[in-house]
Amino acid sequence: AQSVSQHNHHVILSEAASLELGCNYSYGGTVNLFWYVQYPGQHLQLLLKYFSGDPLVKGIKGFEAEFIKSKFSFNLRKPSVQWSDTAEYFCAVNLNTGTASKLTFGTGTRLQVTL
Amino acid sequence: AAGVIQSPRHLIKEKRETATLKCYPIPRHDTVYWYQQGPGQDPQFLISFYEKMQSDKGSIPDRFSAQQFSDYHSELNMSSLELGDSALYFCASSQLDNTETQYFGPGTRLLVL
Repeated sequence: AQSVSQHNHHVILSEAASLELGCNYSYGGTVNLFWYVQYPGQHLQLLLKYFSGDPLVKGIKGFEAEFIKSKFSFNLRKPSVQWSDTAEYFCAVNLNTGTASKLTFGTGTRLQVTL
Repeated sequence: AAGVIQSPRHLIKEKRETATLKCYPIPRHDTVYWYQQGPGQDPQFLISFYEKMQSDKGSIPDRFSAQQFSDYHSELNMSSLELGDSALYFCASSQLDNTETQYFGPGTRLLVL
C-alpha cells in the first residue's frame, strides 16, 4: 500500500525566511503528486501538482515543489514566507492509472509564521 | 469559477441518530470522493464514485453508505452515529482525464454528542 511521510510536523519561521517542507512517498509505480494547503477552519486548497514532465513545478502564492524520482520525494519550497502562509500543508499522492484514484495524504505540517 | 458545494456546513447529532451529508461537484466533473478528517489528523479516504458507480472503497464503516445520483451529486448516509464519527467530512470532485485533480469542498463539520 502506498504511504506518504511528512517529516516536519510543526515548523515555526519568521517572515521572509525560506521554507522547505519534506515529503516522501513509498509507492514505486507511476504516481501523481500534490500539495494542498488548509488555512485555519477552511477546506483543502490545491497549491500545486505534478503529473509528468518538468520535475520542478510552480504553484500559487509563490510556492514550488521538486519531484526527485530517485529519492521518492516531492518537497515544497518558498523563498520568502509571509504571515498569511500560516496554515497546515498536506502532501498527497495518488496512482496514475487513468481511472479514479483516491488520494493518500501525509500527516501534514503545521506552519506558523511569526511577524 | 464554480466550486464543490457541501451541505450542511455544520451538523450536530446525538448518538445513534442518522445524518445525511450532500455534495454537489463542480459542473462537468464525473467523479466524487468522500474523505473524513478527524481533529488534528490528515484526511482519510472513505469512498468514491465515477459515473454514478462506486469506484473505490476505503475505511468506511458499514454504518455508512453513499451513492451518486444522475445529476452527479452525492450523498453520504451515516447511521447509528457514534462519538468517534465527529469529524470534518470533505467531498472532492474531479474530471477523469490525464491530469485528474481533486478539488475539495468546504466540508461538513459533524459533531456527535
